Amino acid sequence: KQEVTQIPAALSVPEGENLVLNCSFTDSAIYNLQWFRQDPGKGLTSLLLIQSSQREQTSGRLNASLDKSSGRSTLYIAASQPGDSATYLCAVSQSNSGYALNFGKGTSLLVTP
Amino acid sequence: EAGVAQSPRYKIIEKRQSVAFWCNPISGHATLYWYQQILGQGPKLLIQFQNNGVVDDSQLPKDRFSAERLKGVDSTLKIQPAKLEDSAVYLCASSWLTGVGLSGNTIYFGEGSWLTVV
Repeated sequence: KQEVTQIPAALSVPEGENLVLNCSFTDSAIYNLQWFRQDPGKGLTSLLLIQSSQREQTSGRLNASLDKSSGRSTLYIAASQPGDSATYLCAVSQSNSGYALNFGKGTSLLVTP
Repeated sequence: EAGVAQSPRYKIIEKRQSVAFWCNPISGHATLYWYQQILGQGPKLLIQFQNNGVVDDSQLPKDRFSAERLKGVDSTLKIQPAKLEDSAVYLCASSWLTGVGLSGNTIYFGEGSWLTVV
């Protein structure tokens, strides 16, 4: 059974810092991996999607990498801003489970001015 | 483009009562998902529909939860009778196809229905 773990559970950084969020998964036979953002009281917004054949994806100040063989992904946020404060969730999908998303518990990020 | 609509946004009920949540997906999206997110946890898939057929309901507690998607558009998730451990956010999501990431197939989430069982 696929298990997705995110470390750290919570993180507080001053504005301007670069930071890394970690995601690991136990079954490397994934179809793709996604990073989501969740603001308090809101739904999830997809940030980046990495296909299993890809190594990384970039969008603005965000960069996500994937090492499928070791079961790891990182989300790098450059020059953090208070508006980046949110919970970041990692999810993997697998073809043998109908491509359903399997989520980690998330990392709660607070960026202080 | 309108997003995924859910109602009600908030509901407080007593244990053993029943509750129903409604979801209207993005127009044209064939796949609809219901997720349960307990405070401090990631979302857990309850049921996935492709049009009006069920693709996956392996994690749906069928003794108390039911869901339907008549006509392959709107969907309703019902809980009867509710237990204290059902307190959670119920997220509805939709995508063009099953298989998020296929040919740019993106999943979109609603803002959720918050349930408190007392």
